Amino acid sequence: GESVGLHLPTLSVQEGDNSIINCAYSNSASDYFIWYKQESGKGPQFIIDIRSNMDKRQGQRVTVLLNKTVKHLSLQIAATQPGDSAVYFCAEKAGRDDKIIFGKGTRLHILP
Amino acid sequence: DAGITQSPRHKVTETGTPVTLRCHQTENHRYMYWYRQDPGHGLRLIHYSYGVKDTDKGEVSDGYSVSRSKTEDFLLTLESATSSQTSVYFCAIRGGSGMEKLFFGSGTQLSVL
Repeated sequence: GESVGLHLPTLSVQEGDNSIINCAYSNSASDYFIWYKQESGKGPQFIIDIRSNMDKRQGQRVTVLLNKTVKHLSLQIAATQPGDSAVYFCAEKAGRDDKIIFGKGTRLHILP
Repeated sequence: DAGITQSPRHKVTETGTPVTLRCHQTENHRYMYWYRQDPGHGLRLIHYSYGVKDTDKGEVSDGYSVSRSKTEDFLLTLESATSSQTSVYFCAIRGGSGMEKLFFGSGTQLSVL
């Protein structure tokens, strides 16, 4: 919920601009990555995913980029809207391991 | 929303008391997960299940136990609640191999006084 977002890094973006949210992962064995959006008072919702055999994947207004060399993931949101205001989490999974591990999240704040 | 129901939605309890949170799914998914969410820590995996009676530990399993006696229910038990277990608890489900997307419930706000 909102109390979770108070301790997170915050990205402030003007409405209509593009947003880029970054995520570093540590497990070099991770081969599947997911971005989730969490609005206040709700559970996380799936946005987009990418497997390690890809560098880029596009969805509706969102693009995920994966750089395996530096273990970095980014989520790009085009033409940011007020409804994009939320906390965004990346998550990773490694091969046959069933654990899905989340990053700490970034709060996206939309400026009018 | 995926067919996931968490109960209760809110609970206040006292230190030292046992607490059980329930996650119920209607999707017949194989995998079920319990996470806790705290300020500054994001979502941390407590335990997960990969089938009936099959469970494993996550990142922060100390002080928690789980049980899965049937596909649709995954219970999280705090044997003796402590104030450090005050948190929002989320259950999530996923279908199986090749189906890694998690679908989350609405969460349980637990306060241990």
